[in-house]
Parts: sequence; structure tokens; C-alpha cells
Amino acid sequence: GENVEQHPSTLSVQEGDSAVIKCTYSDSASNYFPWYKQELGKGPQLIIDIRSNVGEKKDQRIAVTLNKTAKHFSLHITETQPEDSAVYFCAASKRRNGGSQGNLIFGKGTKLSVKP
Amino acid sequence: GAVVSQHPSRVICKSGTSVKIECRSLDFQATTMFWYRQFPKQSLMLMATSNEGSKATYEQGVEKDKFLINHASLTLSTLTVTSAHPEDSSFYICSAKSRVVYEQYFGPGTRLTVT
Repeated sequence: GENVEQHPSTLSVQEGDSAVIKCTYSDSASNYFPWYKQELGKGPQLIIDIRSNVGEKKDQRIAVTLNKTAKHFSLHITETQPEDSAVYFCAASKRRNGGSQGNLIFGKGTKLSVKP
Repeated sequence: GAVVSQHPSRVICKSGTSVKIECRSLDFQATTMFWYRQFPKQSLMLMATSNEGSKATYEQGVEKDKFLINHASLTLSTLTVTSAHPEDSSFYICSAKSRVVYEQYFGPGTRLTVT
């Protein structure tokens, strides 16, 4: 089955610097790759996602890149702020034979700390 | 994004009792709802998937008689933890999606403590 590896497990950056979190997936049939931000004691919040027909997607300070050949995708946060501090999860899913989208397979998470 | 609510946000119950957690999609019809369990500093562990009007599909190792899931409508799913034990204490999170879209939205989670 699908396996998603996420690195690093912890990341500490200075405010204003960029942060990059990388994920690799094993199933070449995966076609949907969301990123979630989870603050302490809260549920995960979808912050950006990308589909396999696109190589890059950007939303203000957040961007995601996808390399289907290498089977990896990355989250880029620019001009980091203390409120970006949270745990970030990547995930992957693929379309089932019946046409519906399969379950999300999550990475183990990256704890991002942005120091003022 | 779409909004998913959970109730209660925190619950404390005594060992041996049952507790019900509700998950609602507030602004869309959730054809599929998911229940996850999350231990401290760990990723989300999928417990079961439920489609509206159908029986839930449980992941391997999850006791279906202990974790009862009902998805009676397109906006409501419930998780009942029966005969709770201290080891059931955890953070339970639901999520929901519509069949026609890729996006899956999560609720705020429920912290269950069994004493």
C-alpha cells in the first residue's frame, strides 16, 4: 500500500526565513496531495493542496511543488511568522477503481517552530 | 474552506461508561466521514470510514463493537465509545468530504479522558 515519508520531524527557523518540508510517496498512482496545519489541541486545517496534473501551486506565502517522476512533494513557507508555528502534515491519496478518491495516507508530521 | 464541527470538545467519563461524539458538516453534504484517533506527538490514525446510509468500514485492529459509528445523514456522524477504559483516552478527530471533490475537512477534535 501507499507509504508517505515526511522530513524533517522538527524544524526551527527565525522569523522571516523560509521553511521547507518534504514528503515522498510510494504509490505512483497517487494523484492528490494536501497539506494540513495542526495547532496544539486543534484539528488539522487544510492549508494547500495539489493534484498530479500540476507541478506547483502558490497561495500567498505558501507554495507546494510536486515532482511526479521522483514521487516527492514539498511545502514552502516564505517570510515565516511566529503564528506559522504548528505541526504540518502531508498526505497522499489516489483514485479508486470505482472512481471515488481513496483514503488519505498521512506523513508523520513536522513540528515547525518560528522564533521571533 | 468547508466547516466541520465536533461536540463535545472535551469529555471526561468513568471507566465502563459509554460516550458519544458528534461530527457535523455545517455547510456541505458529507457523503463520506472519517474518524481518526491521535496520540500525543503522533500522526493521525484512521479508525473507520463511513458513507451516508451505509455501515462503517473499520481499519484493521479497530474493534467495531467498541467504537460504534453511525452516519445517518449527510451532515451528521457519531462515534460512540462503549465500555470505555483508560486506554481509550485520546484525541478523536472526525473529517468529512463530499464525493465530488478531493478536499477533506477536519473537525476541531474531541479530547476524551477516561478515569
